[in-house]
Amino acid sequence: EIVLTQSPATLSLSPGERATLSCRASQSISNYLAWYQQKPGQAPRLLIYDASNRATGIPARFSGSGSGTDFTLTISSLEPEDFAVYYCQQRNNRPYTFGQGTKLEIK
Amino acid sequence: EVQLVESGGGLVQPGGSLRLSCAASGITFRTYWMSWVRQAPGKGLEWVANIKQDGSEKYYVDSVRGRFTISRDNAKNSLFLQMNGLRAEDTAVYYCAKGAWAFDIWGQGTMVTVSS
Repeated sequence: EIVLTQSPATLSLSPGERATLSCRASQSISNYLAWYQQKPGQAPRLLIYDASNRATGIPARFSGSGSGTDFTLTISSLEPEDFAVYYCQQRNNRPYTFGQGTKLEIK
Repeated sequence: EVQLVESGGGLVQPGGSLRLSCAASGITFRTYWMSWVRQAPGKGLEWVANIKQDGSEKYYVDSVRGRFTISRDNAKNSLFLQMNGLRAEDTAVYYCAKGAWAFDIWGQGTMVTVSS
């Protein structure tokens, strides 16, 4: 099973700042990585697939990069609605594991 | 409107069974892989199972294989998860999601609680 390790566990930033979230895979997963955002009491929302492709309707301030084992989700300038938990997910091997999440909180 | 609506959750004793359903609307259901993903209270996401468009391929996470069965009825735009031999660790919100992975549409979730 591929283990995805997200860091940091919690990130405290202010609106307008840049956020950089990391996801590291226990073995190479090519570019088979997705990112999701989840707010309390809501289902997750797909942000990025295949490491760098924005899903439909996702604002341009969200971008993804990386390949192999190291991946990054960047939010260029935080909006108030961006404070949430973010998960990565791989599809290189079943089971399609998720990372443990990064909580992005308001500083 | 594109929508996935889960139902069938509830409280069940350890060893019991439940059948979850997911009704799809606004999508050409028969053309997509479909999946179940769960989230234990206060925890992260866990992919549970997925099923190919025609039902010919099904995959499961190890912890549910042999106890859970995913199925679909394309004529009724519906996805199912039959859960047998339920354990306390199966307690979670169960989400229906469109796709084999990179799930772009999710239901609102249905809560399953396994407790005596």
